Amino acid sequence: AQSVTQPDIHITVSEGASLELRCNYSYGATPYLFWYVQSPGQGLQLLLKYFSGDTLVQGIKGFEAEFKRSQSSFNLRKPSVHWSDAAEYFCAVGKAADKLIFGTGTRLQVFP
Amino acid sequence: DSGVTQTPKHLITATGQRVTLRCSPRSGDLSVYWYQQSLDQGLQFLIQYYNGEERAKGNILERFSAQQFPDLHSELNLSSLELGDSALYFCASSVAGPPNEQYFGPGTRLTVT
Repeated sequence: AQSVTQPDIHITVSEGASLELRCNYSYGATPYLFWYVQSPGQGLQLLLKYFSGDTLVQGIKGFEAEFKRSQSSFNLRKPSVHWSDAAEYFCAVGKAADKLIFGTGTRLQVFP
Repeated sequence: DSGVTQTPKHLITATGQRVTLRCSPRSGDLSVYWYQQSLDQGLQFLIQYYNGEERAKGNILERFSAQQFPDLHSELNLSSLELGDSALYFCASSVAGPPNEQYFGPGTRLTVT
């Protein structure tokens, strides 16, 4: 079955610290992979996407993610977190012109 | 701003009632997707339309229906509402075919009392 697992429900980091949010997926073939961010009361904003090619992808707001086929993972990273990064982050998988399957989300809290 | 608009932003209604949520996709996007976000179910795909035709169905209740009009806007109709239908309903749109990156609207928060 197709699924996405985000093992960390809640992560707390200090401002300026590095961040890694984990995402593992189960899919029949190499899927398209996405990270979205949702601020309180807001919609989902696309941070970055992976379709093919270079396994390290850059996104908006200084985020990057690395696709590791052998580990079925697509972890999101940021070298230095800002207070404004506090939000909920969702990993999603899909294929062309198809629905997205979302993980349960990781809530990021940033301390000054 | 993703370019996807949804109205209304908030909706409060009583059990048994019927509501209509509206979505306008980004200019040029032919596909529209509806998702439900609730605390217990997370983000769940409901239904997809492509250029006016239903393309795929997910965990959509029979009390719910949707359509996409010739101008490509879409409406999600929820009827015989129950308390458990209280949730955030998102619309997303994408271009036809790959890469299928979906852009989400701000959502409609439905509260059923």
